[in-house]
Amino acid sequence: DAGVTQSPTHLIKTRGQQVTLRCSPISGHKSVSWYQQVLGQGPQFIFQYYEKEERGRGNFPDRFSARQFPNYSSELNVNALLLGDSALYLCASSFLDSLAYNEQFFGPGTRLTVL
Amino acid sequence: AQSVTQPDIHITVSEGASLELRCNYSYGATPYLFWYVQSPGQGLQLLLKYFSGDTLVQGIKGFEAEFKRSQSSFNLRKPSVHWSDAAEYFCAVLSGGYNKLIFGAGTRLAVHP
Repeated sequence: DAGVTQSPTHLIKTRGQQVTLRCSPISGHKSVSWYQQVLGQGPQFIFQYYEKEERGRGNFPDRFSARQFPNYSSELNVNALLLGDSALYLCASSFLDSLAYNEQFFGPGTRLTVL
Repeated sequence: AQSVTQPDIHITVSEGASLELRCNYSYGATPYLFWYVQSPGQGLQLLLKYFSGDTLVQGIKGFEAEFKRSQSSFNLRKPSVHWSDAAEYFCAVLSGGYNKLIFGAGTRLAVHP
């Protein structure tokens, strides 16, 4: 079975632009979470969606938004890009909405570079 | 506030030597703790997790971790390191339910032949 897939693999944007990152969860998984991993740091939680509803939001500005589609895939949008948004964006999927009851699996990430 | 500290940024060990990676957490209630490994160009892979019960947890790839509440620690160990273990290791705590993980800054492990 395919794991979590993310597209694109790499992306280069300039300051002020907007970007959309995509994530396809493992088949049957209903929860998708997004993390930002800046170079040299651990991942930081951005959003979690379960059954198309937002279940959690991290400490990120409103420039960051996300949604989940009926097929459980998800998009992360970032508007008005800043240099500091350069990072690896990780998507993770799980069947249930809580790690207390099931494991989540991470995708390989999208490397975003903002120039 | 909840947090995870990994005091060692880089660790180098010889192949076959034992390994211990340190993790300290700050969390008010009983924590749900995790160790993940990240190889270059790949996502995070779960090594093991602790929710409750036996404080010594066995994971994949020969790793184990011990939860010590009195020291707020969850250190990862392996008795004999292989060259393929070279990667970055992250300790994390589950925050407030659902899937929100708080990660430490990571420890990069290098293995000498």
